[in-house]
Amino acid sequence: DTGVSQDPRHKITKRGQNVTFRCDPISEHNRLYWYRQTLGQGPEFLTYFQNEAQLEKSRLLSDRFSAERPKGSFSTLEIQRTEQGDSAMYLCASSPPPGGTYEQYFGPGTRLTVT
Amino acid sequence: AQSVSQHNHHVILSEAASLELGCNYSYGGTVNLFWYVQYPGQHLQLLLKYFSGDPLVKGIKGFEAEFIKSKFSFNLRKPSVQWSDTAEYFCAVNALGGDSWGKFQFGAGTQVVVTP
Repeated sequence: DTGVSQDPRHKITKRGQNVTFRCDPISEHNRLYWYRQTLGQGPEFLTYFQNEAQLEKSRLLSDRFSAERPKGSFSTLEIQRTEQGDSAMYLCASSPPPGGTYEQYFGPGTRLTVT
Repeated sequence: AQSVSQHNHHVILSEAASLELGCNYSYGGTVNLFWYVQYPGQHLQLLLKYFSGDPLVKGIKGFEAEFIKSKFSFNLRKPSVQWSDTAEYFCAVNALGGDSWGKFQFGAGTQVVVTP
């Protein structure tokens, strides 16, 4: 399967703990996005990478959230000192280089539950 | 800031009925428009997309959408639905230029239930 993969698929953690999620994009895609989706809502943009550069970060993203893409391939999203309000589905998407169709391909998501 | 609104949160219809889901966006510049579908237990999949040219675009599984620039709309249609079309449907807008380049703005989604 050459689609976008995410790990883990589910994560249950206690409030105050740190969690880290991983996303592996489609191999030739140089753009990578993180979204968050809560029940009854559409995905909400969190941050965006082009290669290893983080080009945009949502103003809604608190300082407890950090994302990296150190070699321009996989990416990690870390949430420090988790809160119950962080419970959501975290989605990763990737898209081809500029000049393409800007279509984004989504992974299966990581469902985070903070107890 | 751009926004995307989907008119219906829940739609229930019978098999063979016609489906139309509304989507309106607020952005005055050039946009790319998408409809994504999320079947139960599955991840988001692209249904169709509009970038330029013919405003009537056809996607997978018999879906089509029409871009009406003057109305800032991109409504999704299917003439005859099947039980397997039960899913959540999301409209998404990618505004080109400014500080919005790259990211998608999604609507809240419409849950469609097709009864046998």
